[in-house]
Amino acid sequence: KNQVEQSPQSLIILEGKNCTLQCNYTVSPFSNLRWYKQDTGRGPVSLTIMTFSENTKSNGRYTATLDADTKQSSLHITASQLSDSASYICVVIRGSGTYKYIFGTGTRLKVLA
Amino acid sequence: GAGVSQSPSNKVTEKGKDVELRCDPISGHTALYWYRQSLGQGLEFLIYFQGNSAPDKSGLPSDRFSAERTGGSVSTLTIQRTQQEDSAVYLCASSLGLGREETQYFGPGTRLLVL
Repeated sequence: KNQVEQSPQSLIILEGKNCTLQCNYTVSPFSNLRWYKQDTGRGPVSLTIMTFSENTKSNGRYTATLDADTKQSSLHITASQLSDSASYICVVIRGSGTYKYIFGTGTRLKVLA
Repeated sequence: GAGVSQSPSNKVTEKGKDVELRCDPISGHTALYWYRQSLGQGLEFLIYFQGNSAPDKSGLPSDRFSAERTGGSVSTLTIQRTQQEDSAVYLCASSLGLGREETQYFGPGTRLLVL
């Protein structure tokens, strides 16, 4: 079954601290993996896109990793800011030719001052 | 426009009524997607349109759901005889094409509440 599981479900950290969010998937055939940030009341916004051959990709303070062998990805946030408070959604794109988006349920991050 | 827009932003309706949700994609984007996001759940794919090709309706949960895309631009998602379980945020997204690394740009969503 094609699934994307994220952990933790929710996370509270202090401003300035780092954190790592996890994503495990059982999607086949794998095309690419994306991390989205969704602010409350807004649509998701793409942070990173990683293909099979990419292990690490950064976008400012966000760094995503991908281990295609173990089918795991992580999103590391460095020096968190209050504005990082949001849901972070892992999405795995399945297929070749015709693509299906498989969404995780997200990790809700709250950054406290 | 600058981004994907959706209307209305909020909709409250009574069980059994029909509703129409509208999506204006980014100009020039040929692909348009509809998703549903229930409380505490991940996004659920409903339907996508690509150019003039027949839409992929494989995610529509029942025949009460339908969608159109007129002139390759604006799309309308229609839910007939709404049920309480239809209450969710309905998100629209568009992308330049369907390439595997295309970025989807999401609208703010329509929050539907069926009483």
